[in-house]
Amino acid sequence: AQSVTQLGSHVSVSEGALVLLRCNYSSSVPPYLFWYVQYPNQGLQLLLKYTTGATLVKGINGFEAEFKKSETSFHLTKPSAHMSDAAEYFCAVTDRGGGYNKLIFGAGTRLAVHP
Amino acid sequence: DTGVSQNPRHKITKRGQNVTFRCDPISEHNRLYWYRQTLGQGPEFLTYFQNEAQLEKSRLLSDRFSAERPKGSFSTLEIQRTEQGDSAMYLCASSLGLQGGYEQYFGPGTRLTVT
Repeated sequence: AQSVTQLGSHVSVSEGALVLLRCNYSSSVPPYLFWYVQYPNQGLQLLLKYTTGATLVKGINGFEAEFKKSETSFHLTKPSAHMSDAAEYFCAVTDRGGGYNKLIFGAGTRLAVHP
Repeated sequence: DTGVSQNPRHKITKRGQNVTFRCDPISEHNRLYWYRQTLGQGPEFLTYFQNEAQLEKSRLLSDRFSAERPKGSFSTLEIQRTEQGDSAMYLCASSLGLQGGYEQYFGPGTRLTVT
């Protein structure tokens, strides 16, 4: 069964520092990949997605992610963290086996940004 | 586009009571999903509708859970004889399927507390 691993349940960075949140998936067939952000007591907001084509995808709020098939990874980065980036981030996949009908989420990474 | 809405936002109930949640998807979206999110975890898929047809149910959806989407518009999720283990955030999402690149748009969720 498809699974998603997010390495590091908590990540702390200083304002202005690089943000790197890691995501690895288990499928041998490249899935569609997503990153969502969740602020406290809110639903999930889509940051970016990869389906096909260019492996480096850009999203909202200055985030980007690179799909690496050989590493089965889809890590999320942002060159310079802002205080407003503090939130929980979820990596998710959906694939052809499931008819692209459901998202499988990782456990999430809580990002803290310090002044 | 008013987004996905969910009501109520919070529900506190006593064990053994029945509860019902409502989700109103983005109006042109034909697919609707329910997920459950417990503290510190990513959302887990519960069920999925295409128009009014319920096409997939997770093993997480016990016999006490039932979901409907009459006329392919709003959806309801009912939990009968609630248990403390049902305490969670219940998230609804909608999508256009292939036409929308399988992106799912989430509502703010309904937080259920069973005492």
